[in-house]
Amino acid sequence: EIVLTQSPGTLSLSPGERATLSCRASQSVSSSYLAWYQQKPGQAPRLLIYGASSRATGIPDRFSGSGSGTDFTLSISRLEPEDFAVYYCQQYGSSPMYSFGQGTKLEIK
Amino acid sequence: QVHLVESGGGVVQPGRSLRLSCVASGFTFNTYGMHWVRQAPGKGLEWVAVISYDGLNKYYADSVKGRFTMSRDNSKNTLYLQMNSLRGEDTAVYYCAKAFRGGYNDPFDYWGQGTLVTVSS
Repeated sequence: EIVLTQSPGTLSLSPGERATLSCRASQSVSSSYLAWYQQKPGQAPRLLIYGASSRATGIPDRFSGSGSGTDFTLSISRLEPEDFAVYYCQQYGSSPMYSFGQGTKLEIK
Repeated sequence: QVHLVESGGGVVQPGRSLRLSCVASGFTFNTYGMHWVRQAPGKGLEWVAVISYDGLNKYYADSVKGRFTMSRDNSKNTLYLQMNSLRGEDTAVYYCAKAFRGGYNDPFDYWGQGTLVTVSS
């Protein structure tokens, strides 16, 4: 089983700042089958990034993903008030087994 | 547009059973693999199970293997999760989710709103 470790656990930033979230895998994620999701309180997760760097439909271009192998990053270039949420990474390359990171909470400073 | 609506959650005693349903609309249901994902209160996401587009192949997380059974009725655009021998640690919001392009090597592009299962005596 691939274990995903996200850091930091909580990130405190102000609107307009840049956010950088990390996801590290316990073994290489094949073909960069790595996704990022955003979840707000009381809502279902929303797919942001797949294939490590491709934005899902309707996702603003301030969201970007990068990385390969075992190290992946989600960047948000200029934080908007609606971006403050919990973010999860997910690997789907060792399917049909899937795993999520424990999440990073992005909070307003 | 795509809609996934779960139902069937509630309060159940340990050791009892419950069946969740997920009705899908807005896409060709019988060509997409589907998943169940759960989230314990205040915790992160945990993948539970996946079923192929035709229902012939199913895979489960170790934590539910042998107790949960996933199925689908493509004539009704409905997904099911039969949960037996429920435990306190099964308490969670259960989401159904659609595989992006229908296969196993896909992220989950649409999610339902979730249904809460509480296992308590």
